[in-house]
Amino acid sequence: DQQVKQNSPSLSVQEGRISILNCDYTNSMFDYFLWYKKYPAEGPTFLISISSIKDKNEDGRFTVFLNKSAKHLSLHIVPSQPGDSAVYFCAATGVAAGNKLTFGGGTRVLVKP
Amino acid sequence: DTGVSQNPRHKITKRGQNVTFRCDPISEHNRLYWYRQTLGQGPEFLTYFQNEAQLEKSRLLSDRFSAERPKGSFSTLEIQRTEQGDSAMYLCASSLAGQGPHQPQHFGDGTRLSIL
Repeated sequence: DQQVKQNSPSLSVQEGRISILNCDYTNSMFDYFLWYKKYPAEGPTFLISISSIKDKNEDGRFTVFLNKSAKHLSLHIVPSQPGDSAVYFCAATGVAAGNKLTFGGGTRVLVKP
Repeated sequence: DTGVSQNPRHKITKRGQNVTFRCDPISEHNRLYWYRQTLGQGPEFLTYFQNEAQLEKSRLLSDRFSAERPKGSFSTLEIQRTEQGDSAMYLCASSLAGQGPHQPQHFGDGTRLSIL
């Protein structure tokens, strides 16, 4: 039972344009959501997070949107840069979920110069 | 470097051997987590500690797996009688509990286990 899903395995975008990554979840106990970026041979790097009491959180070029009624979140990267090329993981957790992270399967982003 | 440190980075061993991995968390972090990641998948939770207490273990963690965090600082993950299916990246993460409702987990670069 996949509680967190990223339905797009890959995304290709031109440098300078917007990248939009999507994530859906099923467990209503999740109340904290995170995005991680992963380069080959490295561990996931924390990017940005959002609590369920908010619907938007912004940090520089990265914005995360949360739609609780749809159990959907998205990550917007604008403008996209070649260094953003990586695999992006959506993760969810909550006190009722034991504080452990449940990850989606990842979306590979390629930013073309 | 004050990030999460994992050793070794890569371990190759024969099926049936025992292996042990070490994780040193960020120094002030009291929570420590182990995850496993196979190719093309997101990381999957294995177990976590708050200080030295192991608070939760996934059903993925068979009785061949054991984890310890004896003094609430570094942790070890041991796999006994390794099997082909144990080949994966083993990731360690740490976070600080008690500083608000949620704190992000910060990951090390992992130990890649290859079973011959």
